[in-house]
Amino acid sequence: EVQLVESGGGLVQPGGSLRLSCAASGFTLGDHHIDWVRQAPGRGLEWLGRTRSRTYSYTTVYAASVEGRFTVSRDHTETTVYLQMKDLTSEDTAVYYCTRLTFYGTSVGYYPDYWGQGALVTVSS
Amino acid sequence: DIQMTQSPSSVSASLGDRVTISCRASRNIGHVLAWFQQKPGEAPKSLIFASSTLQSGVPSRFSGSGSGTDFTLTITSLQPEDCAVYYCQQHYAGPLTFGGGTRVE
Repeated sequence: EVQLVESGGGLVQPGGSLRLSCAASGFTLGDHHIDWVRQAPGRGLEWLGRTRSRTYSYTTVYAASVEGRFTVSRDHTETTVYLQMKDLTSEDTAVYYCTRLTFYGTSVGYYPDYWGQGALVTVSS
Repeated sequence: DIQMTQSPSSVSASLGDRVTISCRASRNIGHVLAWFQQKPGEAPKSLIFASSTLQSGVPSRFSGSGSGTDFTLTITSLQPEDCAVYYCQQHYAGPLTFGGGTRVE
């Protein structure tokens, strides 16, 4: 069974840092892109960044709103993806989701199929 | 950035009704669009990719169509469990922007 489980959320002071984890099971993590998406309270979804699959050498790409502050990485065991966040502000308060993207063929590309349950990050003094 | 605009922002419908949600891209994105369903307190669920292909396990009352800048999600014969917020997302170019969501009540 495919599972994505986020952890590491919590309360952090403005200007602080936090690292979220996305533990993957039931599939080979290296075969898939992984995106991070967040949702501020009562708001819509915002795409944050991606770590691409092994085929693409695990390269990363970010939204301009978080580039330089957020870093997506994978561990060497290829079971966990991380979202390292720094210089946090109240605007970063949100539920953070990791989502798996699957390759559906050359003419179709990668699309999200599974989502984690989310991790709540609250930035407040 | 490519802007994604959904309409309406909310819709109220009855059991068995046909519901149509629109998503418009600020420029041509071909067929590179996905739809998601999010119920209160839950993570989003992937419904449709490449504009019209249903994810595995998604009921056939859901369908997607469109290309270029105009896309549609249709729910035929609305069921109680379909009450949720629906989002579109373009996968044409980064950042991968979402529409603002449509609440189906």
